[in-house]
Parts: sequence; C-alpha cells; structure tokens
Amino acid sequence: KAGVTQTPRYLIKTRGQQVTLSCSPISGHRSVSWYQQTPGQGLQFLFEYFSETQRNKGNFPGRFSGRQFSNSRSEMNVSTLELGDSALYLCASNQGGGVDLGTEAFFGQGTRLTVV
Amino acid sequence: GESVGLHLPTLSVQEGDNSIINCAYSNSASDYFIWYKQESGKGPQFIIDIRSNMDKRQGQRVTVLLNKTVKHLSLQIAATQPGDSAVYFCAEKGVETSYDKVIFGPGTSLSVIP
Repeated sequence: KAGVTQTPRYLIKTRGQQVTLSCSPISGHRSVSWYQQTPGQGLQFLFEYFSETQRNKGNFPGRFSGRQFSNSRSEMNVSTLELGDSALYLCASNQGGGVDLGTEAFFGQGTRLTVV
Repeated sequence: GESVGLHLPTLSVQEGDNSIINCAYSNSASDYFIWYKQESGKGPQFIIDIRSNMDKRQGQRVTVLLNKTVKHLSLQIAATQPGDSAVYFCAEKGVETSYDKVIFGPGTSLSVIP
C-alpha cells in the first residue's frame, strides 16, 4: 500500500507569490490534515478535510487555504507569501470516519517551502 | 491558547539504557494522546496512543503513561537503540472541536550514544 505522497518535495518562492502544494492520501483514507512545521513554532495544525469538506481549521490567516477533491487528494494554497511562511508543510491522512478519535494518522515526508 | 508540551529539550542516553521522554499538556478535556517519532527528513511516524480512560499502555519496547491529575504524559523506550534517535512529539486530539485536529507539543530530541 503506497504511503502519503506530497509534491513537490522542495520549493523556492519569492515574497508575494503564491504556492500550491499537493497531497495524495493513502488509498481508502478520506481525511487529510495539513500542518506547518518550523523550528520556532513546531508542528501547527492548519486544517483538515473530509469528503471534500473542511471540518476543522487552525489559527492561520486567510492566506492559507485548502481543498479536497472527490478522490480525497488535497491541495493547500498560500497566497501573498511572506518570509515567515518558510517551513516544512506536512500532510497526514487517516480513515477519518465517525467520531473515532483513535484512528492512526500517517504523515507524508512534507514539502519544504523556502520563501526568499 | 491551546498548547501541549514544554520547550524542546534534548535527551542523550547510552545504547541499551531505557529512555523516558516527558510531556505536559494544558487541556484537561483532551480525550486522546499520541506519541510520534520524527526522523530527519521524514514526516512524523505514529508510535503509540492512549485514551484518557487509561493510565498506561504498552507496545513493542515502548510504554506510555498518562497522569491526568497533573496533566502529564511520558514515553518510555526500553533498551534504547541507535535507530531510536529522533525527535519525539506528544500530541493531543482536540475533542471539543470536530475530528482530527491534533495539537502537537514542541518535541524532545533523543540522541542515542553507541
């Protein structure tokens, strides 16, 4: 079974640009979550999608957005990039159904975004 | 705001010794806690989880202890091996919101001395 796949692995963008990152979850997983990881702030929750709907959102500005497609693949977009957006962006998938909070989440290797 | 964990400490242990990694959480209403391991260049990997109605749970070479009275979580690794060197994160699920919002602690860097 293939794991969570994130593309691209590395990205360099200029301030003010926008970027789109992609995540393909494990086959059969319907929930996709996104996290930002930085040395200063650690791992911070961005948002979570299930069946093409955003179910949960972290405390990030509106420049950060996402979506999920019918095949559960997800994209996140960051507009008007700032230097502080440089981070490792991680995607995690799990089955996500119901209220079972014990479902193990599987992470991808992340996309390393550098804003210059 | 919500937070799990303290600042990032570093733990060095001799190969073969037991390791104990600690974590404090702030949300007493949290129902579910998870430990993740992150190796360099990789995403976090699930190690073990525990629900709030349990005090202890054991896995292969790992044990998680939960003390709800003082809101403390620990991960014990038996017979630590060089492959255990990584950053370890505790995390909690935000039960008062809808599913799968995981709040991570700052992490602990474990270094195993051969």
